Amino acid sequence: DSGVTQTPKHLITATGQRVTLRCSPRSGDLSVYWYQQSLDQGLQFLIQYYNGEERAKGNILERFSAQQFPDLHSELNLSSLELGDSALYFCASSVGVQHLGEAFFGQGTRLTVV
Amino acid sequence: TQLLEQSPQFLSIQEGENLTVYCNSSSVFSSLQWYRQEPGEGPVLLVTVVTGGEVKKLKRLTFQFGDARKDSSLHITAAQPGDTGLYLCAGFNAGNNRKLIWGLGTSLAVNP
Repeated sequence: DSGVTQTPKHLITATGQRVTLRCSPRSGDLSVYWYQQSLDQGLQFLIQYYNGEERAKGNILERFSAQQFPDLHSELNLSSLELGDSALYFCASSVGVQHLGEAFFGQGTRLTVV
Repeated sequence: TQLLEQSPQFLSIQEGENLTVYCNSSSVFSSLQWYRQEPGEGPVLLVTVVTGGEVKKLKRLTFQFGDARKDSSLHITAAQPGDTGLYLCAGFNAGNNRKLIWGLGTSLAVNP
Protein backbone atom coordinates (compact mmCIF):
# COMPACT_ATOMS: atom_id res chain seq x y z
CA ASP A 1 0.00 0.00 0.00
CA SER A 2 1.62 3.24 -1.19
CA GLY A 3 -0.53 5.46 1.00
CA VAL A 4 -1.95 7.25 -2.05
CA THR A 5 -5.68 6.73 -2.46
CA GLN A 6 -7.52 7.12 -5.73
CA THR A 7 -11.24 6.88 -6.33
CA PRO A 8 -13.06 5.50 -8.11
CA LYS A 9 -11.08 2.46 -9.22
CA HIS A 10 -13.21 1.93 -12.32
CA LEU A 11 -15.36 4.35 -14.27
CA ILE A 12 -17.44 3.73 -17.37
CA THR A 13 -19.07 6.69 -19.04
CA ALA A 14 -20.36 7.84 -22.40
CA THR A 15 -18.75 10.17 -24.91
CA GLY A 16 -19.40 13.82 -24.24
CA GLN A 17 -19.75 13.34 -20.50
CA ARG A 18 -17.69 14.81 -17.68
CA VAL A 19 -16.04 12.91 -14.84
CA THR A 20 -14.02 13.77 -11.76
CA LEU A 21 -11.19 11.61 -10.45
CA ARG A 22 -10.05 12.04 -6.88
CA CYS A 23 -6.68 11.56 -5.23
CA SER A 24 -5.58 11.71 -1.61
CA PRO A 25 -1.79 11.94 -1.31
CA ARG A 26 0.35 10.26 1.32
CA SER A 27 0.31 11.96 4.67
CA GLY A 28 2.89 14.75 4.63
CA ASP A 29 3.31 14.86 0.86
CA LEU A 30 2.72 18.28 -0.63
CA SER A 31 3.13 17.46 -4.32
CA VAL A 32 0.53 15.67 -6.39
CA TYR A 33 1.06 14.54 -9.96
CA TRP A 34 -1.45 13.24 -12.47
CA TYR A 35 -0.55 10.78 -15.20
CA GLN A 36 -2.39 9.11 -18.04
CA GLN A 37 -1.32 5.64 -19.12
CA SER A 38 -2.39 4.00 -22.33
CA LEU A 39 -0.99 0.98 -24.11
CA ASP A 40 0.33 2.89 -27.09
CA GLN A 41 1.68 5.99 -25.38
CA GLY A 42 2.89 4.73 -22.03
CA LEU A 43 2.85 6.92 -18.96
CA GLN A 44 2.18 10.55 -19.86
CA PHE A 45 2.62 13.32 -17.32
CA LEU A 46 -0.40 15.59 -17.19
CA ILE A 47 0.03 18.12 -14.39
CA GLN A 48 1.62 18.72 -11.00
CA TYR A 49 0.41 20.65 -7.99
CA TYR A 50 2.44 21.66 -4.97
CA ASN A 51 0.71 22.84 -1.83
CA GLY A 52 -2.32 24.01 -3.74
CA GLU A 53 -0.52 25.72 -6.61
CA GLU A 54 -0.03 24.46 -10.14
CA ARG A 55 3.68 23.71 -10.53
CA ALA A 56 4.22 22.01 -13.86
CA LYS A 57 2.16 21.16 -16.88
CA GLY A 58 2.64 18.28 -19.24
CA ASN A 59 0.53 16.96 -22.06
CA ILE A 60 -2.78 17.93 -20.55
CA LEU A 61 -5.64 18.65 -22.93
CA GLU A 62 -7.69 21.81 -22.59
CA ARG A 63 -10.73 19.61 -21.87
CA PHE A 64 -8.96 18.42 -18.73
CA SER A 65 -8.35 20.43 -15.59
CA ALA A 66 -7.15 19.76 -12.08
CA GLN A 67 -6.91 21.40 -8.71
CA GLN A 68 -5.43 20.74 -5.31
CA PHE A 69 -7.46 21.68 -2.27
CA PRO A 70 -6.31 23.08 1.11
CA ASP A 71 -6.40 19.60 2.62
CA LEU A 72 -4.00 18.60 -0.24
CA HIS A 73 -6.33 16.18 -1.96
CA SER A 74 -6.57 16.68 -5.68
CA GLU A 75 -9.18 16.24 -8.36
CA LEU A 76 -8.75 15.73 -12.08
CA ASN A 77 -11.72 16.82 -14.16
CA LEU A 78 -12.17 15.35 -17.62
CA SER A 79 -14.87 16.87 -19.82
CA SER A 80 -16.33 16.35 -23.30
CA LEU A 81 -14.97 12.85 -23.10
CA GLU A 82 -13.89 11.06 -26.25
CA LEU A 83 -13.25 7.39 -26.90
CA GLY A 84 -9.53 8.10 -26.97
CA ASP A 85 -9.61 9.31 -23.38
CA SER A 86 -10.07 5.72 -22.23
CA ALA A 87 -6.96 4.97 -20.18
CA LEU A 88 -5.58 4.43 -16.72
CA TYR A 89 -5.22 7.64 -14.76
CA PHE A 90 -2.68 7.64 -11.96
CA CYS A 91 -2.03 10.06 -9.19
CA ALA A 92 1.35 10.16 -7.48
CA SER A 93 2.60 12.15 -4.55
CA SER A 94 5.94 13.19 -3.18
CA VAL A 95 7.21 15.30 -0.35
CA GLY A 96 8.88 18.06 -2.30
CA VAL A 97 8.42 20.06 -5.46
CA GLN A 98 10.90 18.27 -7.61
CA HIS A 99 10.22 14.73 -8.74
CA LEU A 100 13.78 13.74 -7.87
CA GLY A 101 12.93 11.79 -4.82
CA GLU A 102 10.56 8.97 -4.25
CA ALA A 103 7.18 9.28 -5.84
CA PHE A 104 4.36 7.10 -4.62
CA PHE A 105 1.62 6.09 -7.01
CA GLY A 106 -1.98 5.25 -6.29
CA GLN A 107 -3.67 2.20 -7.80
CA GLY A 108 -5.17 4.26 -10.57
CA THR A 109 -8.60 4.86 -12.02
CA ARG A 110 -9.45 2.89 -15.13
CA LEU A 111 -11.64 5.10 -17.30
CA THR A 112 -13.59 3.56 -20.12
CA VAL A 113 -15.44 5.88 -22.49
CA VAL A 114 -18.09 4.13 -24.58
CA THR B 1 12.38 16.65 -27.01
CA GLN B 2 13.83 14.33 -24.42
CA LEU B 3 13.09 10.68 -25.01
CA LEU B 4 13.88 7.54 -23.09
CA GLU B 5 13.99 4.33 -25.09
CA GLN B 6 13.66 1.05 -23.29
CA SER B 7 14.70 -2.29 -24.71
CA PRO B 8 13.64 -4.92 -25.16
CA GLN B 9 9.96 -4.04 -25.25
CA PHE B 10 8.95 -7.58 -24.26
CA LEU B 11 10.93 -10.35 -22.59
CA SER B 12 9.79 -13.84 -21.69
CA ILE B 13 12.24 -16.05 -19.82
CA GLN B 14 12.36 -19.14 -17.62
CA GLU B 15 12.76 -19.02 -13.88
CA GLY B 16 16.41 -18.98 -12.90
CA GLU B 17 17.67 -17.13 -15.97
CA ASN B 18 19.52 -13.82 -15.87
CA LEU B 19 18.44 -10.80 -17.87
CA THR B 20 19.34 -7.20 -18.57
CA VAL B 21 17.03 -4.43 -19.72
CA TYR B 22 18.16 -1.08 -20.99
CA CYS B 23 17.07 2.51 -20.84
CA ASN B 24 18.76 4.86 -23.31
CA SER B 25 18.61 8.52 -24.19
CA SER B 26 20.58 11.11 -26.09
CA SER B 27 19.89 13.55 -23.26
CA VAL B 28 21.65 13.92 -19.95
CA PHE B 29 19.56 13.45 -16.82
CA SER B 30 20.13 14.72 -13.30
CA SER B 31 18.80 11.43 -11.99
CA LEU B 32 17.08 8.32 -13.21
CA GLN B 33 14.52 6.14 -11.52
CA TRP B 34 13.40 2.58 -12.12
CA TYR B 35 9.86 1.50 -11.31
CA ARG B 36 8.04 -1.82 -11.51
CA GLN B 37 4.37 -1.93 -12.33
CA GLU B 38 2.13 -4.97 -11.91
CA PRO B 39 -1.19 -5.32 -13.73
CA GLY B 40 -3.90 -3.17 -12.18
CA GLU B 41 -1.45 -1.38 -9.92
CA GLY B 42 0.50 1.84 -10.01
CA PRO B 43 4.26 1.92 -10.60
CA VAL B 44 6.37 1.24 -7.52
CA LEU B 45 9.74 2.94 -7.19
CA LEU B 46 12.65 0.50 -7.09
CA VAL B 47 15.66 2.80 -7.12
CA THR B 48 16.96 6.27 -7.94
CA VAL B 49 20.46 6.71 -9.39
CA VAL B 50 22.09 10.10 -9.40
CA THR B 51 25.83 9.87 -10.02
CA GLY B 52 27.35 8.87 -13.36
CA GLY B 53 28.68 5.32 -13.13
CA GLU B 54 26.68 4.62 -9.98
CA VAL B 55 25.72 1.02 -9.27
CA LYS B 56 22.97 0.13 -6.83
CA LYS B 57 21.87 -3.33 -5.77
CA LEU B 58 18.49 -4.37 -4.51
CA LYS B 59 18.66 -8.09 -3.67
CA ARG B 60 18.87 -9.80 -7.10
CA LEU B 61 18.47 -6.54 -9.00
CA THR B 62 21.48 -4.46 -10.05
CA PHE B 63 20.99 -0.96 -11.43
CA GLN B 64 23.67 1.02 -13.21
CA PHE B 65 23.67 4.64 -14.34
CA GLY B 66 25.87 5.36 -17.34
CA ASP B 67 29.00 7.45 -16.90
CA ALA B 68 27.50 10.24 -19.00
CA ARG B 69 24.14 10.01 -17.20
CA LYS B 70 22.35 9.30 -20.50
CA ASP B 71 21.54 5.65 -20.03
CA SER B 72 20.90 3.00 -17.44
CA SER B 73 20.56 -0.75 -17.16
CA LEU B 74 18.77 -3.14 -14.87
CA HIS B 75 20.17 -6.63 -14.43
CA ILE B 76 18.19 -9.36 -12.71
CA THR B 77 19.98 -12.47 -11.50
CA ALA B 78 18.15 -15.78 -11.22
CA ALA B 79 14.77 -14.33 -12.17
CA GLN B 80 11.70 -15.53 -10.31
CA PRO B 81 8.01 -15.48 -11.30
CA GLY B 82 7.52 -12.70 -8.76
CA ASP B 83 9.74 -10.48 -10.91
CA THR B 84 7.08 -10.46 -13.62
CA GLY B 85 5.85 -6.99 -14.44
CA LEU B 86 6.41 -3.83 -16.44
CA TYR B 87 9.76 -2.18 -15.71
CA LEU B 88 9.73 1.54 -16.34
CA CYS B 89 12.62 3.96 -16.29
CA ALA B 90 12.12 7.68 -15.77
CA GLY B 91 14.68 10.43 -16.17
CA PHE B 92 14.59 13.70 -14.30
CA ASN B 93 16.13 16.91 -15.51
CA ALA B 94 16.73 19.48 -12.80
CA GLY B 95 16.96 22.20 -15.43
CA ASN B 96 14.25 24.60 -16.45
CA ASN B 97 11.50 22.14 -17.20
CA ARG B 98 12.00 19.91 -14.14
CA LYS B 99 9.90 17.16 -15.64
CA LEU B 100 10.14 13.42 -15.33
CA ILE B 101 10.51 11.75 -18.73
CA TRP B 102 9.21 8.20 -18.90
CA GLY B 103 10.17 5.29 -21.09
CA LEU B 104 7.47 2.98 -22.45
CA GLY B 105 8.72 0.10 -20.35
CA THR B 106 9.93 -3.46 -20.69
CA SER B 107 7.27 -6.06 -20.07
CA LEU B 108 8.91 -9.03 -18.35
CA ALA B 109 7.34 -12.45 -17.95
CA VAL B 110 9.18 -15.03 -15.86
CA ASN B 111 7.76 -18.49 -16.41
CA PRO B 112 7.99 -21.14 -13.68
